[in-house]
Amino acid sequence: EIVLTQSPGTLSLSPGERATLSCRASQSVSSSYLAWYQQKPGQAPRLLIYGASSRATGIPDRFSGSGSGTDFTLTISRLEPEDFAVYYCQQYGSSRFLTFGGGTKVEIK
Amino acid sequence: EVQLVESGGGLVQPGRSLRLSCAASGFTFDDYAMHWVRQAPGKGLEWVSGISWNSGSIGYADSVKGRFTISRDNAKNSLYLQMNSLRAEDTALYYCAKVPLGIWYYFDYWGQGTLVTVSS
Repeated sequence: EIVLTQSPGTLSLSPGERATLSCRASQSVSSSYLAWYQQKPGQAPRLLIYGASSRATGIPDRFSGSGSGTDFTLTISRLEPEDFAVYYCQQYGSSRFLTFGGGTKVEIK
Repeated sequence: EVQLVESGGGLVQPGRSLRLSCAASGFTFDDYAMHWVRQAPGKGLEWVSGISWNSGSIGYADSVKGRFTISRDNAKNSLYLQMNSLRAEDTALYYCAKVPLGIWYYFDYWGQGTLVTVSS
């Protein structure tokens, strides 16, 4: 089982600032099969990034993903008020076993 | 528009059973694998189970293996999760989720979830 560790647990930033979220895997994620989701209170998760760096349909270009192997990053270039939420990474390179990271909360400073 | 609507949640005693359903619309249901993902109150996401388009390939998280059974009825555009021998730690919001291709993939659409509470 691939374990994903997200850091930091909480990120306190102001609107307009840059957010950098980390997701580290316990072993290499094949073919960069890593996705990122955003979840707001009372809502289902929303797909942001797949394949480590491809934005999902309708996702603003201030969201970008990068990384390979065991280290992945989600960057929000300039935080908008609606971006304050919890973010999860998920690996899908391990057949028959999908795993999520523990999440990073981006809160208003 | 893709819609996934879960139902069947509720309060159940430890050791009892519950069956969740997910009604799908807005896409060709039998073209896609489907999954269940859960979220305990105030906690993160946990993948539970997945099933291929034709039910030929199925997988479970270790935490539910042997107790939960996933199934689908393509004629009814529905996904199910039969949950037996429920435990307090199964208390969670259960989401139905669709993948865009393959089976073990990322989730492009999610339902709003159905809450299962296991308590005496």
